Amino acid sequence: GESVGLHLPTLSVQEGDNSIINCAYSNSASDYFIWYKQESGKGPQFIIDIRSNMDKRQGQRVTVLLNKTVKHLSLQIAATQPGDSAVYFCAENAGGTSYGKLTFGQGTILTVHP
Amino acid sequence: SQTIHQWPATLVQPVGSPLSLECTVEGTSNPNLYWYRQAAGRGLQLLFYSVGIGQISSEVPQNLSASRPQDRQFILSSKKLLLSDSGFYLCAWSVSPYGYTFGSGTRLTVV
Repeated sequence: GESVGLHLPTLSVQEGDNSIINCAYSNSASDYFIWYKQESGKGPQFIIDIRSNMDKRQGQRVTVLLNKTVKHLSLQIAATQPGDSAVYFCAENAGGTSYGKLTFGQGTILTVHP
Repeated sequence: SQTIHQWPATLVQPVGSPLSLECTVEGTSNPNLYWYRQAAGRGLQLLFYSVGIGQISSEVPQNLSASRPQDRQFILSSKKLLLSDSGFYLCAWSVSPYGYTFGSGTRLTVV
């Protein structure tokens, strides 16, 4: 079936570096993508989203890039801080009859070293 | 503002015992409601979703059931828990395809 997956399960960076977390998706009908941050023992927190009619969206210290040609999504975190350490998930919404049902990737563990 | 409440935060239950997890949403009407499960170190798996009172769709066959007795209340249940039911259960709501908020989760350990 259709799925969303991540290229790298773990990522370690130094404080102050930029981080890039990647995600591949296979459902060409997906029209909405979200990045979530999940800290240990907590529910996922919304970071940033992007619709399929865009290829880039920026937030505070975060940027999401969408390449529909190769079905690839990335999350860039600028000046990574220890508080950014968490598991990051990408999720897709295929829309249509799948309204509101998100398909999640496996997650990438980001560790930021001081 | 909209909030979502999920309880209990942690639960330890013996095999064969019943389960009832509750999720309530405040500050919105007619939300879509979802139950997800997350195994340790894994992603989220959609279990059930509901688009209205009494309307439940199941995504995967399992030992669990869901009910929506009120507009903003979503309940996850089991008559007899299995060891494999252990996990982190998350409730979520949305009112559009482009908004999705999770609760704080319930850590269930079946022993």
